[in-house]
Amino acid sequence: AQSVTQPDIHITVSEGASLELRCNYSYGATPYLFWYVQSPGQGLQLLLKYFSGDTLVQGIKGFEAEFKRSQSSFNLRKPSVHWSDAAEYFCAVALSGGYQKVTFGIGTKLQVIP
Amino acid sequence: DAGVTQSPTHLIKTRGQQVTLRCSPKSGHDTVSWYQQALGQGPQFIFQYYEEEERQRGNFPDRFSGHQFPNYSSELNVNALLLGDSALYLCASSFAGGEQFFGPGTRLTVL
Repeated sequence: AQSVTQPDIHITVSEGASLELRCNYSYGATPYLFWYVQSPGQGLQLLLKYFSGDTLVQGIKGFEAEFKRSQSSFNLRKPSVHWSDAAEYFCAVALSGGYQKVTFGIGTKLQVIP
Repeated sequence: DAGVTQSPTHLIKTRGQQVTLRCSPKSGHDTVSWYQQALGQGPQFIFQYYEEEERQRGNFPDRFSGHQFPNYSSELNVNALLLGDSALYLCASSFAGGEQFFGPGTRLTVL
């Protein structure tokens, strides 16, 4: 069964600093990988996704993520964090093709300080 | 396009009661998935409906059941509520196995 590990439950960064959120997955086949963001009281918004091809993917709001098969990782990055980026971030994995049952990590809560 | 909508927004029930949550998918979408997000956790897959049939199911007891209507909207029913059922319930819709779009969720509190 697929699983997703987000080792950092809570991260605090200063506004303007760079950000990297870690994600490791366990899955036997080629995964579909996602990063979602959830603001308080809100649903989930897709930031970016990786299905195949270029291992560096660009998303919305200036985020990018890099797929590294050898490390089973899909880390999320942003060069300069804004106060509005404070939210909870979820890494997720799904079957390649077929039905889209999505398995989520536990989430990383991002706090941005001025 | 209204996107995925869910009702109600909040709900308070007592143990042993039954609850029905509703979801309207994004226009053009034919598949609805339900997720449970407990406090401090990531969403967990409950089940998925396509063509009015349950197509996939996660590790949830039979107390959790669902339905999909001909217009693709869906209901999630939970019987014999337990305190541990308190959570945010998220609905997601998609088309032909594509990207899932999530609704804002229904916050269920069981007292």
